Amino acid sequence: QVLLVESGGGVVQPGRSRRLSCSTSGFTFRTYGMHWVRQAPGKGLEWVAAIWFDGSNKYYADSVKGRFTISRDNDKNTLDLQMNSLRADDTAVYSCAAGYNWMEYWGQGTLVTVSS
Amino acid sequence: AIQLTQSPSSLAASVGDRVAITCRASQGITSALAWYQQKPGKPPKVLIYDASSLESGVPSRFSGSGSGTDFTLTISGLQPEDFATYYCQQFSNYPFTFGPGTKVDIK
Repeated sequence: QVLLVESGGGVVQPGRSRRLSCSTSGFTFRTYGMHWVRQAPGKGLEWVAAIWFDGSNKYYADSVKGRFTISRDNDKNTLDLQMNSLRADDTAVYSCAAGYNWMEYWGQGTLVTVSS
Repeated sequence: AIQLTQSPSSLAASVGDRVAITCRASQGITSALAWYQQKPGKPPKVLIYDASSLESGVPSRFSGSGSGTDFTLTISGLQPEDFATYYCQQFSNYPFTFGPGTKVDIK
């Protein structure tokens, strides 16, 4: 059974940092590209970042470039998202997803609320 | 970044209807397009990849077509469990992008 479980969400003040994690099982993590996708309340999907299977390449949406960093640990089967300089418009459910180009497996997501 | 538009933004249909949703890319993306279904409170589920390939386990009433800039998701014989929001996503170029979504409601 494929499982992706995000953690680390919560309420954070504008300008502060937060680190999200995604624990995975049930598939060969080290062979999959991984993504973070977010969804603001009542809004559509927004792709945030991607990392190749070996961590050699990372890509970001323009809206988070320079503020967010994606990373992975293939020994622990985990994916992280370091979010710095958070803004109100970063408020969303953040989900990790597995797949190189399209997203085959998804987690349920963790809510990040940026508010003072 | 490549922009995706979807039409219509919402539609109302009846069980058994044939439904078509279109996705248009701001530049050519060959066949680098996927379609997802999302129900409230649930993560998206991939239906179609490479514009027309059916994901394993997805009912054959779902089909995808198109290439270049214009794509279509067709549901042939809408079922009660198909009422949801549908998104297209391009993976031709980074940054990847999603369309704004099409909500399919019960008429």
